[in-house]
Amino acid sequence: KQEVTQIPAALSVPEGENLVLNCSFTDSAIYNLQWFRQDPGKGLTSLLLIQSSQREQTSGRLNASLDKSSGRSTLYIAASQPGDSATYLCAAGSYNTDKLIFGTGTRLQVFP
Amino acid sequence: GAGVSQSPSNKVTEKGKDVELRCDPISGHTALYWYRQSLGQGLEFLIYFQGNSAPDKSGLPSDRFSAERTGGSVSTLTIQRTQQEDSAVYLCASSFQGATNTGELFFGEGSRLTVL
Repeated sequence: KQEVTQIPAALSVPEGENLVLNCSFTDSAIYNLQWFRQDPGKGLTSLLLIQSSQREQTSGRLNASLDKSSGRSTLYIAASQPGDSATYLCAAGSYNTDKLIFGTGTRLQVFP
Repeated sequence: GAGVSQSPSNKVTEKGKDVELRCDPISGHTALYWYRQSLGQGLEFLIYFQGNSAPDKSGLPSDRFSAERTGGSVSTLTIQRTQQEDSAVYLCASSFQGATNTGELFFGEGSRLTVL
């Protein structure tokens, strides 16, 4: 059974810092790995999708990497801004099922 | 439509009443998912539709929960005889084919259910 863990659970940083959010999964037979952002009281917004054959994806100040062998993915946020404050969730899609398994998220606060 | 639409956005009900939550996916998306997010918890998978059929409904917590999808489009999640532990945000997502094909899920804003 796939289990997804995110560390840290919460993070508070000053504006301008580069930061890394971690995601671990127990079953390396994943089809893809997705990162989402959730603002308070809102739904989820897809940030990056990494297929199992890829090592990383980039979008603007965001870079996500995938290492299936170690069961890890990281989300790198460069030059953080207060507008980046949100909860970030990762989710793994497995070959055996068509559903994504979510981690519990990292709550990020970037202060001016 | 332009995005996944869910209604109602907020629902307050009394314990024991039935509720219906609606999801209108992105046009052309054949895969539709229901997840539940309780306060301070992660997303809990409930059910997955491919077209009108539900190949995976393993996440439905009890027989009080049911869902259907008609016309390969709109889905309704029904909770009968609601209990306080059903209070949560119910999120719907759709995908062009399915998580193992295209992978990208688009979520609605959710329906916040409060059972008094």
